[in-house]
Amino acid sequence: NAGVTQTPKFRVLKTGQSMTLLCAQDMNHEYMYWYRQDPGMGLRLIHYSVGEGTTAKGEVPDGYNVSRLKKQNFLLGLESAAPSQTSVYFCASSYRGRMGEQFFGPGTRLTVL
Amino acid sequence: SQELEQSPQSLIVQEGKNLTINCTSSKTLYGLYWYKQKYGEGLIFLMMLQKGGEEKSHEKITAKLDEKKQQSSLHITASQPSHAGIYLCGAPDGATNKLIFGTGTLLAVQP
Repeated sequence: NAGVTQTPKFRVLKTGQSMTLLCAQDMNHEYMYWYRQDPGMGLRLIHYSVGEGTTAKGEVPDGYNVSRLKKQNFLLGLESAAPSQTSVYFCASSYRGRMGEQFFGPGTRLTVL
Repeated sequence: SQELEQSPQSLIVQEGKNLTINCTSSKTLYGLYWYKQKYGEGLIFLMMLQKGGEEKSHEKITAKLDEKKQQSSLHITASQPSHAGIYLCGAPDGATNKLIFGTGTLLAVQP
């Protein structure tokens, strides 16, 4: 099993550009999450999904959109990137009812110039 | 909102030494999770504590939960270079039921 995979691993954007981060999991997990990790701020939840076709806002959702068209995939979109969105983005997944035991992807390092 | 504070923020120990990392919650804990993150990688789940007084061990890492103190401690015995990384605690936020994380403790183990 590959676990949780993320693409791309690195990306540099110019302010105003758009991009989509892809997360895939092969563990048949119901729940999926997108976090960002910034120095001194820890991990903060952007959006999450409790099942195919459903999404919900987390702690810092502004400037991001998500979609979960298939159970195994969770996409994070930036419509108009800003320098404040420079961060490391992590995707995670878990079984329903086991929210505390999350499986994380390797992360995407995004720089917005 | 609930916050998790970890101490120390960073720690350098000699190989073979014992160490303790603490995680203190601003509100009642309904479970506590410990994760480890190697530089440039994602988090790896270590263990879960659900009841006050509960203690769990995995290899040379032991974690305890003190519900009354709203605190958990993670103890590493006879540290090794493989223990180096960032340790993060996580807990369900009582208001949102989402997992929140502490800011992490960076551990370096000198051979």
